[in-house]
Amino acid sequence: EVQLVESGGDLVPPGRSLRLSCTTSGFIFRYYPISWFRQAPGKGLEWVGFIRSHAYGATTEYAASLKDRFIISRDDSYGVAYLQLNSLETEDTAVYFCTRGPTATHYFDYWGQGTLVTVSS
Amino acid sequence: QSALTQPPSASGSPGQSVTISCTGTSSDVGGYNYVSWYQHHPGQGPKLLIYEVSKRPSGVPDRFSGSKSGATASLTVSGLQAEDEADYYCNSYGGFNNFVVFGGGTKLTVL
Repeated sequence: EVQLVESGGDLVPPGRSLRLSCTTSGFIFRYYPISWFRQAPGKGLEWVGFIRSHAYGATTEYAASLKDRFIISRDDSYGVAYLQLNSLETEDTAVYFCTRGPTATHYFDYWGQGTLVTVSS
Repeated sequence: QSALTQPPSASGSPGQSVTISCTGTSSDVGGYNYVSWYQHHPGQGPKLLIYEVSKRPSGVPDRFSGSKSGATASLTVSGLQAEDEADYYCNSYGGFNNFVVFGGGTKLTVL
């Protein structure tokens, strides 16, 4: 069974950094890209970015508004993807989801349950 | 502002059918057959319902169907059930410089 489990969410003051983890199982992690999304309170899903597999150089793509502060990485040895959140702002308060994909035809087939990040002083 | 436009809400009675639209441009929905739909119940992770415009993953009931005409994609939920009450999002590929284009979401209420 394919599973993705996010962790690392916390309450942090503005300006701090936080690293989220996406621990996976049930599939061959190194073959797949991994994406991150977020959902702010009362808002819709927002794509954050994704990291390709190492076969494609583990390169990353980000939403234009976030690319300067957020960094996605991966450790194929452990089947884990990471989302580094830097210079956090109150507007970054959200539930963060990781998902397998995008696939070759650009969809996201398995999602985690999310982890809550609250940015507040 | 989301790149794909969805109605903020939709509703129907049990047993009825409801269609949710997703309007983009010729650069995304209209340009590629890479539209997908997701169901999101609060407190859970989103679930893939439809991919490549009209294909259903294994396990998704055939009450859910997708289609596209020009730059507008649609999700139809037939035979509405109480558990269909959720938020629904559309997604499209938007080309090399716009990999992921999402809709703002539609809250479906089963009356």
